[in-house]
Amino acid sequence: GQQLNQSPQSMFIQEGEDVSMNCTSSSIFNTWLWYKQDPGEGPVLLIALYKAGELTSNGRLTAQFGITRKDSFLNISASIPSDVGIYFCAGQSWRTGTASKLTFGTGTRLQVTL
Amino acid sequence: GAGVSQSPSNKVTEKGKDVELRCDPISGHTALYWYRQSLGQGLEFLIYFQGNSAPDKSGLPSDRFSAERTGGSVSTLTIQRTQQEDSAVYLCASSYVPARQETQYFGPGTRLLVL
Repeated sequence: GQQLNQSPQSMFIQEGEDVSMNCTSSSIFNTWLWYKQDPGEGPVLLIALYKAGELTSNGRLTAQFGITRKDSFLNISASIPSDVGIYFCAGQSWRTGTASKLTFGTGTRLQVTL
Repeated sequence: GAGVSQSPSNKVTEKGKDVELRCDPISGHTALYWYRQSLGQGLEFLIYFQGNSAPDKSGLPSDRFSAERTGGSVSTLTIQRTQQEDSAVYLCASSYVPARQETQYFGPGTRLLVL
């Protein structure tokens, strides 16, 4: 199945540094989502974006829905050890009253050193 | 519990055997999804249910894979004659579709190893 292009594939950063990752698609989506997955767990939703150009923050996380609707980025500011995990972007073509699948990116593995 | 639950959490089977994976969605959620995550990969859509019907089965990799949902709640994913390439984490998610903006909540997954 289709997977979105997500970069970087992995990152090793020091505590306190800012992190940036992005996701691109050949298809247009009307919703972009960012999930985090811890080992042995399912993905947990971090941020949802519903409008092209939208910039949304959730604590130290900031994400943007690209104007072309084919890309999105996620920034994490002042990283802490518990930010360790795998981050996935996901695109969705959502319509009111209809279930719709998520198309996921390939993931960014984040490791934070003290 | 309040979240999506899946069982078993781990399953080891021999090549050629059939396996059944179960998903209990969040109570009241109308949509249920199955995804597969191979080692070091992102999640790949398999099938989704809206109520008890499956409008999109396009992600099922072969006719060895099937799924059903009964009573608008529990779902079972069945893999017949398992192959080693079926080894992966199978994740289930559920959502409340009439919500203005659908959010999918994931279970912890079933880790399947085919020897």
